Amino acid sequence: EGQLVASGGGPVQPGGSLRLSCSGSGFIFSRFDMHWVRQGVGKGLEWVSGVDRPGNKYYSGSVKGRFTISRENANNSMFLQMDSLSDGDTAVYYCARTVVRGGADSFDIWGQGTRVIVS
Amino acid sequence: DVQMTQSPSSLSASVGDRVTITCRASQSISTYVSWYQHKPGKAPNLIMYAASNLQSGVPSRFSGSGSGTHFTLTISRLQPEDSATYYCQQSYDTSWTFGQGTRVEV
Repeated sequence: EGQLVASGGGPVQPGGSLRLSCSGSGFIFSRFDMHWVRQGVGKGLEWVSGVDRPGNKYYSGSVKGRFTISRENANNSMFLQMDSLSDGDTAVYYCARTVVRGGADSFDIWGQGTRVIVS
Repeated sequence: DVQMTQSPSSLSASVGDRVTITCRASQSISTYVSWYQHKPGKAPNLIMYAASNLQSGVPSRFSGSGSGTHFTLTISRLQPEDSATYYCQQSYDTSWTFGQGTRVEV
């Protein structure tokens, strides 16, 4: 079925940096597009960034220019380098795997989330 | 970017009731919609893909419909374990936008 484990969250000061990791197991990591989604305190889900199988990268407007997504298929891993962090980035960050069915993407496997606190 | 507007923002219903959540897209997006169930402290869970297809392992009391700009998620015969926040998401463009969420209290 597959599993994702997110890690790397923690407290960080405004203006600081943090690197999140997502490790996959139980599936062929390189065959799937991957994404990061976050949920701020008292807020809904917000798509943050994605990287497809060839390595094309996508960012939401709120993080573009500050966050960098990457993947290492050999290690079944994805990363999110977060720079110039601000209060608005405080959230639980989830990694998610994409499957394509009927032409539509859906996020079928999610990591447990890692909490980032900017304060 | 495609915007997704969900309604209602919250609802309360009783066990055995039928509830419907609506999601409207800011432009036509065919059937490129997924629905997720999210419980506090847990990872979101995919329940519906391509608008009307039930994800494996999800109870058949969940159903989805719609195309273009109007989509619905229906839970028939509501159960206590269905208490959660439900989100729609579009994958028509590369902003993968979520709706604002609907909190369902049973």
